[in-house]
Amino acid sequence: GQQVMQIPQYQHVQEGEDFTTYCNSSTTLSNIQWYKQRPGGHPVFLIQLVKSGEVKKQKRLTFQFGEAKKNSSLHITATQTTDVGTYFCAPYSGGGADGLTFGKGTHLIIQP
Amino acid sequence: DAGVIQSPRHEVTEMGQEVTLRCKPISGHNSLFWYRQTMMRGLELLIYFNNNVPIDDSGMPEDRFSAKMPNASFSTLKIQPSEPRDSAVYFCASSRMTGPSGTEAFFGQGTRLTVV
Repeated sequence: GQQVMQIPQYQHVQEGEDFTTYCNSSTTLSNIQWYKQRPGGHPVFLIQLVKSGEVKKQKRLTFQFGEAKKNSSLHITATQTTDVGTYFCAPYSGGGADGLTFGKGTHLIIQP
Repeated sequence: DAGVIQSPRHEVTEMGQEVTLRCKPISGHNSLFWYRQTMMRGLELLIYFNNNVPIDDSGMPEDRFSAKMPNASFSTLKIQPSEPRDSAVYFCASSRMTGPSGTEAFFGQGTRLTVV
């Protein structure tokens, strides 16, 4: 399956601070999806990026796909306690029997 | 649609026993995935099916694990015999398609397996 490095593994922030997680690949990706998993819950789809340099926004969340399609980021502006959870990237490189594999995730912990 | 349905939600079993986890994907979805999640290893893809056919089972940890999809609306993941290290949350997910034109995956609530 596709190997990616997702950093950081853990991130502690004060409520109201910004948060960013990165997903880096050594190979070019066809697309990348992002998911969020609340504590005790299941992963929930957030967005899919397909085009080089693509930027998509969902309220306080901004998703970017690198120009070379080898990295992606998720940025949250002014975090809220409802943002707590683990954020996963799920890249697809194409060209084979690759299933939907996930990075290790970034655990976001918010201190009120 | 009720979403992806997994059963049971919780399973506690003794080492050596057979365990069967069940999944009903969303109707019309052609791809089905089984995952195992632990703190140490994260969310691991065990196996996935396209149109009921197993495509990649390279993530299945060993021969004690097997998965089937006899029809488009049902899949099972079986562990026989179970061991304490199999304790984890097992997720099933489905999507309309995977690959370069892949679509979002919908996850079930998961089965929390504890092997004692």
